[in-house]
This record gives sequence, C-alpha cells and structure tokens, in this order.
Amino acid sequence: GEQVEQLPSILRVQERSSASINCTYENSASNYFPWYKQEPGENPKLIIDIRSNMERKQIQGLIVLLDKKAKRFSLHITDTQPADSAMYFCAASKSGGSNYKLTFGKGTLLTVTP
Amino acid sequence: EAGVTQSPRYAVLQEGQAVSFWCDPISGHDTLYWYQQPRDQGPQLLVYFRDEAVIDNSQLPSDRFSAVRPKGTNSTLKIQSAKQGDTATYLCASSPPGAVFFGKGTRLTVV
Repeated sequence: GEQVEQLPSILRVQERSSASINCTYENSASNYFPWYKQEPGENPKLIIDIRSNMERKQIQGLIVLLDKKAKRFSLHITDTQPADSAMYFCAASKSGGSNYKLTFGKGTLLTVTP
Repeated sequence: EAGVTQSPRYAVLQEGQAVSFWCDPISGHDTLYWYQQPRDQGPQLLVYFRDEAVIDNSQLPSDRFSAVRPKGTNSTLKIQSAKQGDTATYLCASSPPGAVFFGKGTRLTVV
C-alpha cells in the first residue's frame, strides 16, 4: 500500500507572505501527486498536481516540487491572500489510465491573516 | 459541465439503523470511488469501481458496508446497522484519465 505523511497540521501566515506544506510517501511506485483545497462544507477541489516525470510545476501562485529520491513533495503558495485560508490535502497514487487509488495526508489547516 | 452529484447532503441516524448514499459521477468517467472522511482528517478510500466492476474493496467493512454500480454509471453505498464510529462525510469521486474529481459528500451523524 501507500502511506502519506503531511506537515504541518496547522499553518498560520500573514497576508502576502508564502506558505509551504510538505508531504512524504512510502511507495516508490507512486507516480501521481495531487493537491486538494477543501473549504468548510465543500468538496475537495484539485488545485494542482504533479507526475513523476516532473520535478517542478507552477500554476500562477502555486508551486509544487517533487523529489523522487527522498520521496517528498511540497506545495508552496506565494503571495497568500485570506481567500487561501482552507484545509489542504496532499495525496499520492500509482496511477494508470483512469485508475487513481489516492492515499491522502491528514491535511493542513492554513489560515491567512490580514 | 455538471460535477459529481451526491444525495442526500446530510443524514442523522440512530445506532443500528441503515442508510444509503447515492452518487452520480461526471458523465463519461469510467472510474468511481467512495471515500470516508472523518472530521478534520483526510479522505480514506473505501471502494472503487471501473465501470460496473469492483477494482478494490479491501478497505470496505464488508460486514456492514456494501457498494454497487450495476450499470457502470450511478452508484449506491449502503451502511447496514450504523455505528457511532461511522460518523463522517462520505465522498464520491470519479475520474477520466487525468485527475480525480469529488462530489460535496454526504455528512453522516450516528447518535
């Protein structure tokens, strides 16, 4: 199987600063690493993902880094805004076709203060 | 494009009662997942289907939980004889090749 550890569990930053969340995984066969943002009462929404053939991916203010040797991946949110406040989950999967057996971390509660 | 649709949104049961959750995946997505998300934790996979076939139900408590997807489209997750420990949000998700998309879930409280 797979196990994913996510840290920190709580993160509080000031508006316009950066926030970083780190995850590690165990299964070297995992090849797909998505990040989800979940607001209270809402569904987890995919915000960015990275596959094992990449080391870095950026979508606007979101940066994901993947270190396959260390089995570690991270999310960096630059220029944070209060609207970024939410739970963030990392996940890992050995994917093929449309099969994604995602294993999630326990989540990070991010609060961005004005 | 319509997202993953789930019903009901909320359910409150007494211990020992049964409940069914319904999921309509995104049209054309052949893979469907059921996850359990306890409060303040990450989602945990219960079962997933490719079309109508169960691919993995190893994390489904088989004595009280069952899931079906008879025509490879909609799916039902049923809990017989609910326990307080089943209190959680039950999320359905679906995927084409590329990514997994979640519904808003059913928040179950067992008292």
